[in-house]
Amino acid sequence: SQQGEEDPQALSIQEGENATMNCSYKTSINNLQWYRQNSGRGLVHLILIRSNEREKHSGRLRVTLDTSKKSSSLLITASRAADTASYFCASILGMGKLIFGQGTELSVKP
Amino acid sequence: GAGVSQSPSNKVTEKGKDVELRCDPISGHTALYWYRQRLGQGLEFLIYFQGNSAPDKSGLPSDRFSAERTGESVSTLTIQRTQQEDSAVYLCASSQDSSGNTIYFGEGSWLTVV
Repeated sequence: SQQGEEDPQALSIQEGENATMNCSYKTSINNLQWYRQNSGRGLVHLILIRSNEREKHSGRLRVTLDTSKKSSSLLITASRAADTASYFCASILGMGKLIFGQGTELSVKP
Repeated sequence: GAGVSQSPSNKVTEKGKDVELRCDPISGHTALYWYRQRLGQGLEFLIYFQGNSAPDKSGLPSDRFSAERTGESVSTLTIQRTQQEDSAVYLCASSQDSSGNTIYFGEGSWLTVV
């Protein structure tokens, strides 16, 4: 089974609103990574947060990590239509196998 | 190039034919991954190479699937006797090593089996 599970599966918001996506995982991790995917092609790395970090920022992105709850969240502030994409969390198992959740499909309406 | 390069970008093949998908990782990256993504689905792990270690093949769905890697360079994913269920995007990724560094993806090879 997948290591990570995102919710919601789909999210539709208006431009300017904030979008929050959550991810839960099952086993201990060294780090958790968030990716974005447009139109079913290559994934773009957004943020890597290590297990000893609780929060990380990058521009309009904020990622939190709660290792006690085995969960992470990705917040996109002041969303734009160009943020429309699928967002995946991923964690590394064992000797480097990166396992993805099913993703959250975000739609930002202008 | 600076990123992970995959070829072909798109491939249409007849059921029963063999296909080869190629991945050129970022230079110097010792770890290389293959994933499969069916339409509207998440990423499904297939195989992982790390340096000269034996690859982790635990995600390969059947013995029709195989992958090779030449040293720490090019990798080829081969699907024999393709089936319609093999239609998907096949994504390759690489990272500096397996210690949790950022993993970079190629644009994928879209395979359609007709």
